[in-house]
Amino acid sequence: DAKTTQPPSMDCAEGRAANLPCNHSTISGNEYVYWYRQIHSQGPQYIIHGLKNNETNEMASLIITEDRKSSTLILPHATLRDTAVYYCIGGDTGRRALTFGSGTRLQVQP
Amino acid sequence: NAGVMQNPRHLVRRRGQEARLRCSPMKGHSHVYWYRQLPEEGLKFMVYLQKENIIDESGMPKERFSAEFPKEGPSILRIQQVVRGDSAAYFCASSPRQTGNYGYTFGSGTRLTVV
Repeated sequence: DAKTTQPPSMDCAEGRAANLPCNHSTISGNEYVYWYRQIHSQGPQYIIHGLKNNETNEMASLIITEDRKSSTLILPHATLRDTAVYYCIGGDTGRRALTFGSGTRLQVQP
Repeated sequence: NAGVMQNPRHLVRRRGQEARLRCSPMKGHSHVYWYRQLPEEGLKFMVYLQKENIIDESGMPKERFSAEFPKEGPSILRIQQVVRGDSAAYFCASSPRQTGNYGYTFGSGTRLTVV
């Protein structure tokens, strides 16, 4: 898996957009960027993934730079329930299991 | 459409006993992954299995731990002669096929406490 770098923690005001950055400068051409989150001690939850193009689903948007060396996960209207640890992973689930790093602890403030 | 089912949710074992953790993947998923999360730590990969095959066990401790995913039935993570350091949350994930264009679906985990 590609090495990823994320800030250890971030705060966001409730109702505002949360923009979580991730650097993955060593990602290879066939590796995807995956985002997961873990709320308290629950099982991790898949959010979104992408290869080259920006992606959007009902949970979030994923913006990947043209050189694929970094990406940003956007939660458009953060709520208190979005408080969690967010993991950015560069890898290819078809080749080997994903490796989780330390992630970003997002605290949404009321 | 049931998700990934793990049982039991909580398991208490005395030191030296065996622990068996079960994982039923989502319907149609043939790839299973086990992760361990020690208290206040991150998720650590343990083993990746397909039906009747271990694909990658590079994260499994060399002794006392084993995993299987039989043709029929759930995947089993087995810990023999448990010690206090095995106390952790064990998460199972599944995916539908061997391709990068899928995320994992995780279960709710089994919390193992060794007393």
